[in-house]
This record gives sequence, structure tokens and C-alpha cells, in this order.
Amino acid sequence: DQQVKQNSPSLSVQEGRISILNCDYTNSMFDYFLWYKKYPAEGPTFLISISSIKDKNEDGRFTVFLNKSAKHLSLHIVPSQPGDSAVYFCAASGNSGGSNYKLTFGKGTLLTVNP
Amino acid sequence: NAGVTQTPKFRVLKTGQSMTLLCAQDMNHEYMYWYRQDPGMGLRLIHYSVGEGTTAKGEVPDGYNVSRLKKQNFLLGLESAAPSQTSVYFCASSSQGGGQPQHFGDGTRLSIL
Repeated sequence: DQQVKQNSPSLSVQEGRISILNCDYTNSMFDYFLWYKKYPAEGPTFLISISSIKDKNEDGRFTVFLNKSAKHLSLHIVPSQPGDSAVYFCAASGNSGGSNYKLTFGKGTLLTVNP
Repeated sequence: NAGVTQTPKFRVLKTGQSMTLLCAQDMNHEYMYWYRQDPGMGLRLIHYSVGEGTTAKGEVPDGYNVSRLKKQNFLLGLESAAPSQTSVYFCASSSQGGGQPQHFGDGTRLSIL
């Protein structure tokens, strides 16, 4: 049973436009949500996170929105740049009990930003 | 400024052979993790450690063992490699659990023939 779902395997966007990557989750115990970016032959790198007590977190060109009632979050990249082309992973963790230490990852979305 | 270093970067094994993957971090992090990434599967947690001398099972622990004898090192062992263990293995560390970002190494690409 997949607890974190990224239903779009790939997304293609023009340079300068907005990229919107989506993520859905099923476990209501998740309290923290993180986005990672991964280039080929490299490890994932942390991008931005949001706590469940917030509905928006912004860092430069990157904004994450959380809709807790819909169990949905999205990552907005504005404006998109060719260097943003990578696989983006959504991840979630709880804050209590056995899930405290662990991140559950989605399968990833390949973003391609075309010049 | 090494962060998380994984050794080796590539390895080819024959079925039934054993090997150990080494992960070292220089950030004094308490928590360390081993993941595997397979095509279309995202990252799946194999084992993790919340401190020196501790280990725990993750989502897909079968066929693997781990040890955390020193705080900075986390070893992943395959006792008898199987083709199903062909994957890219990532090690990560974090200062705390939960929502704290994990820092990843660049991975070990392992092929089992």
C-alpha cells in the first residue's frame, strides 16, 4: 500500500513558466513533508519542507503548499530554469511512535525544463 | 566538506557472494539510514540507526544486515547476494528523526549476476 503517491511520472515545462509537482498521501499520522531533488548519478538533495501546522512554505523560487484535509501537497517552481530538470521526490514522516524516524518516499516525478 | 561518503561507487557480484557497503558521515549526525532505489519504486528504507550501537529494520530488510559500531559509520552487508538485490543503494544521515532533512550520499550501484 503506497502511502505517498506521485501520480505523474514526468512533467515537461517551458523555461520561465511555472512547474507544479503534486503529491498525495494516505497516512493521517504524517506531520512533516519534504521535497528532494535528484540529478542522475547523484544522491537526493533536500529542497524544501513543510510542517502540518502550516499550509505554505516559501524559499526563493520554490513554494510548497499543503492541503491537509485533502491530504495533498504541491511544489511550485517559479520561474522554472533548465537547471531545475531533475527527478523530484515527495517524502513524509510522522512525529510520534514508530514512524518518528522514517521518511516514506513517493516514486518521483521527472521534471524537464525546456529552454 | 565531505558530508556523506559511500564506498564503493560501483560493484558487480555473483549470486551467493557477500559484500559490505560502507557509509561514513562527518556531520556528527545521530541518525543514519540505508535505502535502495529501483526503477519506478522510489526510495525504500532497508535499515536505519538512531545512534551508535543501535539498528532497526525498515521497509525492506530481508537479505541485509547492518552495523553501527561507530557513530560516523553505518555498514550494510549482503550475506548471500541475489539478483533481486541489484539496485542503487543510498545512505543518508540526519541530526534528528522526523521532519529533519536527511543528507544523502551519491549512491552505490550494485549489480548481482
